Amino acid sequence: DAGITQSPRYKITETGRQVTLMCHQTWSHSYMFWYRQDLGHGLRLIYYSAAADITDKGEVPDGYVVSRSKTENFPLTLESATRSQTSVYFCASRSESKGETQYFGPGTRLLVL
Amino acid sequence: QQQVKQSPQSLIVQKGGISIINCAYENTAFDYFPWYQQFPGKGPALLIAIRPDVSEKKEGRFTISFNKSAKQFSLHIMDSQPGDSATYFCAASRSNYQLIWGAGTKLIIKP
Repeated sequence: DAGITQSPRYKITETGRQVTLMCHQTWSHSYMFWYRQDLGHGLRLIYYSAAADITDKGEVPDGYVVSRSKTENFPLTLESATRSQTSVYFCASRSESKGETQYFGPGTRLLVL
Repeated sequence: QQQVKQSPQSLIVQKGGISIINCAYENTAFDYFPWYQQFPGKGPALLIAIRPDVSEKKEGRFTISFNKSAKQFSLHIMDSQPGDSATYFCAASRSNYQLIWGAGTKLIIKP
């Protein structure tokens, strides 16, 4: 039972480059979320998805793009990376019918130079 | 109205002591209040959660106390152990909607 996985775990990129962070869950959960975690800010929601082909903005969506063509995958793309997007990114998923617990992946640590 | 304010930002407790972390909210429509625990290098994981129809929920050494009139809830860790050292997040949500997160508390338990 793999659960929820993220790749890559670590990424170094340069300002202006496009970066895609991958998230895959094996539970067929309806909801998926992308958060960024920065010191002093806790977890801030970037985008979320209620089902395949349904996505919506969270608190800090600017500079990010998401897609969800399949229930199990929810990639996050930084179209033109900026230094302010250096952060730890967490993907999470939640069942629509089995409670409100969000299950988190191990995170991707992104450094934008 | 959407904010959840968490305090303290960091906390050092002696082994065997009681750790207390507090959260306050404004939106009275919130109906689900979880606490998540995060170890270094890992994603957060649900620790314990409460709904506003009860004032306290206990699971082992972890207790949530909920004060609806004051719009506050807190996490108590009894007999704190070095293995409890982690970052703790409170959160709140309304009717199955997205979670609103506190800023986190870094807890260190001194042996």
